[in-house]
Amino acid sequence: GAVVSQHPSWVICKSGTSVKIECRSLDFQATTMFWYRQFPKQSLMLMATSNEGSKATYEQGVEKDKFLINHASLTLSTLTVTSAHPEDSSFYICSAKRGSSGYYNEQFFGPGTRLTVL
Amino acid sequence: LAKTTQPISMDSYEGQEVNITCSHNNIATNDYITWYQQFPSQGPRFIIQGYKTKVTNEVASLFIPADRKSSTLSLPRVSLSDTAVYYCLRGGADGLTFGKGTHLIIQP
Repeated sequence: GAVVSQHPSWVICKSGTSVKIECRSLDFQATTMFWYRQFPKQSLMLMATSNEGSKATYEQGVEKDKFLINHASLTLSTLTVTSAHPEDSSFYICSAKRGSSGYYNEQFFGPGTRLTVL
Repeated sequence: LAKTTQPISMDSYEGQEVNITCSHNNIATNDYITWYQQFPSQGPRFIIQGYKTKVTNEVASLFIPADRKSSTLSLPRVSLSDTAVYYCLRGGADGLTFGKGTHLIIQP
């Protein structure tokens, strides 16, 4: 149980185009999903918190108009990188929180999406 | 400000027990301690989570002393496939703050 998928697993796009990444919790409902970014040989950095049915909360320094997040259902959150540029090339990872407990934070991560912007 | 401190790297040999200690001096009452494993180009994989004392599952044990200012992940009888980065995190219900992690290298 507790499987999270991402699609696509990798994508190459031209500079200036938009790319959508999907994150799905396959066998549980996730009221909260998180999006992280990881550059080579660095740690994961939290970008935003996505709550079902409401606007995402972005971390300081993350442009909400550039990284559009939609959490339309309890099993799906999407991240759209708009007008992508080479510096947006990175490994994007989502996680889904299982359970409604305010304290117990059981997050399960997707396999990641490698974005390369040419 | 990093929420946890752990060694940058460690190495060991196949069949050995490996203990990775993490310091979290400012842990909050509501925080749990969670350990993740990450291989290159993959998402982190949940290993174990605990609040205090000892927790054991099929892959690891987690020891948390009474003051909860540190924790130790114990991997019994490691193999080459355990070579990975291990992250110690403390947190409650919010997004996780990842430190640099410990790069564990297992040699034959």
